[in-house]
Amino acid sequence: SQKIEQNSEALNIQEGKTATLTCNYTNYSPAYLQWYRQDPGRGPVFLLLIRENEKEKRKERLKVTFDTTLKQSLFHITASQPADSATYLCALGGRYTGGFKTIFGAGTRLFVKA
Amino acid sequence: DTEVTQTPKHLVMGMTNKKSLKCEQHMGHRAMYWYKQKAKKPPELMFVYSYEKLSINESVPSRFSPECPNSSLLNLHLHALQPEDSALYLCASSQDRASGPYNEQFFGPGTRLTVL
Repeated sequence: SQKIEQNSEALNIQEGKTATLTCNYTNYSPAYLQWYRQDPGRGPVFLLLIRENEKEKRKERLKVTFDTTLKQSLFHITASQPADSATYLCALGGRYTGGFKTIFGAGTRLFVKA
Repeated sequence: DTEVTQTPKHLVMGMTNKKSLKCEQHMGHRAMYWYKQKAKKPPELMFVYSYEKLSINESVPSRFSPECPNSSLLNLHLHALQPEDSALYLCASSQDRASGPYNEQFFGPGTRLTVL
């Protein structure tokens, strides 16, 4: 069955450093991969989408890579700030009958210390 | 307006009650979703509506009954729930479920449901 693993349940880093979060998947060939941010008690907020034929995407301090051979995506936050502390979810999308469906990983909780 | 609203924010119900969760969006999106999320777990897809028609039901028990009265509204009717159904219920919408790579989902804040 399809499986999505995010590298660790929690990640602690110092302000100003680069946070790197990992998303691995098995038994799946996604058409696209998305990253979302979720704060406690809130719904996820979309950050970035990368398609199966793309290697890298950037948006301001965020960078996503997608390696379909390794079945892995890396999500980087450069110059991290305490306000970046949140849970980050990776989500894979693939074609199902009638369209596309997105499946979420369990997330990595990021703590950025001042 | 790029917001998905959900009511109520919190709901406590007994196992014999009937209640409904409501979701609304005015972004012109034609795909709407219900997810269930337990603590420290990923959102789990329950139902997908595409152009007001139910297109995916992820084998959800019949005590959950979705309804899409029009393109802006999505309801989830609850009846005879179990304590293990307690969770955060999230509604989301996207431009068009069939458009694939453009399928960014906008989520509402969720309804925190507790079943006693």
